[in-house]
Amino acid sequence: SQELEQSPQSLIVQEGKNLTINCTSSKTLYGLYWYKQKYGEGLIFLMMLQKGGEEKSHEKITAKLDEKKQQSSLHITASQPSHAGIYLCGADVGSNYKLTFGKGTLLTVNP
Amino acid sequence: EAQVTQNPRYLITVTGKKLTVTCSQNMNHEYMSWYRQDPGLGLRQIYYSMNVEVTDKGDVPEGYKVSRKEKRNFPLILESPSPNQTSLYFCASRTRQGREQYFGPGTRLTVT
Repeated sequence: SQELEQSPQSLIVQEGKNLTINCTSSKTLYGLYWYKQKYGEGLIFLMMLQKGGEEKSHEKITAKLDEKKQQSSLHITASQPSHAGIYLCGADVGSNYKLTFGKGTLLTVNP
Repeated sequence: EAQVTQNPRYLITVTGKKLTVTCSQNMNHEYMSWYRQDPGLGLRQIYYSMNVEVTDKGDVPEGYKVSRKEKRNFPLILESPSPNQTSLYFCASRTRQGREQYFGPGTRLTVT
């Protein structure tokens, strides 16, 4: 089965700093989703990438998909305390519309 | 407003007492699924449904049942809950062509 490895597992940054979270797949990526979760709460959809080289942005968050490396990166520019939370990547698996998720990256942004 | 709703949001119960967590979506989505989230294990799929009366096992189906009698509802049933089913549960839905999988707010279940 497909596995998604996220790195780092946790990250503490000072407000205003840039940061990158990576998601690496053991298999070919057909659709890669990024979600944000506040601890113990629901998942908020950030963006989905489908094509190699695709890049999308939402406010100060940018995600890219590198098909060759089977990897996606999420970059936050000028981080703010509101960016704190758990970032999860998920990938389409096969034909049953199931998403497999990485274990998440816990982001803390210190004021 | 497009949404997935779950009830209850919090539940504390005892071992062996049957319970149902309801899930409803108002987007006419064909596909619905249940996940559980546990520390260190991430999100794992329990069951999914491709459409009415079509359900199948996910990665961790043991101890759970589901039904899909109507398109909008996908309840999760625990016939005899055990402490290892203490977890945070999420229901999700999407269209077959959907780019976004919508998640419910979660149900925190504690089985003592």
